[in-house]
Amino acid sequence: NAGVTQTPKFQVLKTGQSMTLQCAQDMNHNSMYWYRQDPGMGLRLIYYSASEGTTDKGEVPNGYNVSRLNKREFSLRLESAAPSQTSVYFCASKQGTPYNYGYTFGSGTRLTVV
Amino acid sequence: LAKTTQPISMDSYEGQEVNITCSHNNIATNDYITWYQQFPSQGPRFIIQGYKTKVTNEVASLFIPADRKSSTLSLPRVSLSDTAVYYCLVGDRGEYGGATNKLIFGTGTLLAVQP
Repeated sequence: NAGVTQTPKFQVLKTGQSMTLQCAQDMNHNSMYWYRQDPGMGLRLIYYSASEGTTDKGEVPNGYNVSRLNKREFSLRLESAAPSQTSVYFCASKQGTPYNYGYTFGSGTRLTVV
Repeated sequence: LAKTTQPISMDSYEGQEVNITCSHNNIATNDYITWYQQFPSQGPRFIIQGYKTKVTNEVASLFIPADRKSSTLSLPRVSLSDTAVYYCLVGDRGEYGGATNKLIFGTGTLLAVQP
């Protein structure tokens, strides 16, 4: 089972460049999430999509946009990358009610902005 | 915003039982308590979830007292491969106290297992 697949795994951008991080899940989950994790820190929620057709801001949404393309796919876009966005980005998905916290995470995208 | 407090780090030796306690004083009535494990360079992995009393699976046990203001993750006979960061989470509350569909992580507990 693939679970949650993130592409690319690594990326180096120059300041001001744009890019889209892709995430796809094959578990028929309703909700999908984007987190970032800086070195030595916990995960911080950027954006999430509780169901297909909806998106909401998390803790640190500035500088990012998201698209819930369909039930399987949730992309994260950096319009004008900044060095402060250097981080590891994790996508996650889950099924069920708000009280079900059984998330499945992808393996991450390591982004460096120079 | 529901919040948890847990130790920043813990040390242990192979073969010992490790107990990591988490405080969640503002947990809501309907909230579950969930623990995740994260190895370096990997995404977090779901370990265990519980509502009250005790839950056990093949990986760990979770002890939750009657007031549910804290919980303890118990790892039996740890090995070097259990070295990881462990996160305790409860649900996020919305503006009017209702459950949201998002999970907010704290800084976790870094467990270092030595030979």
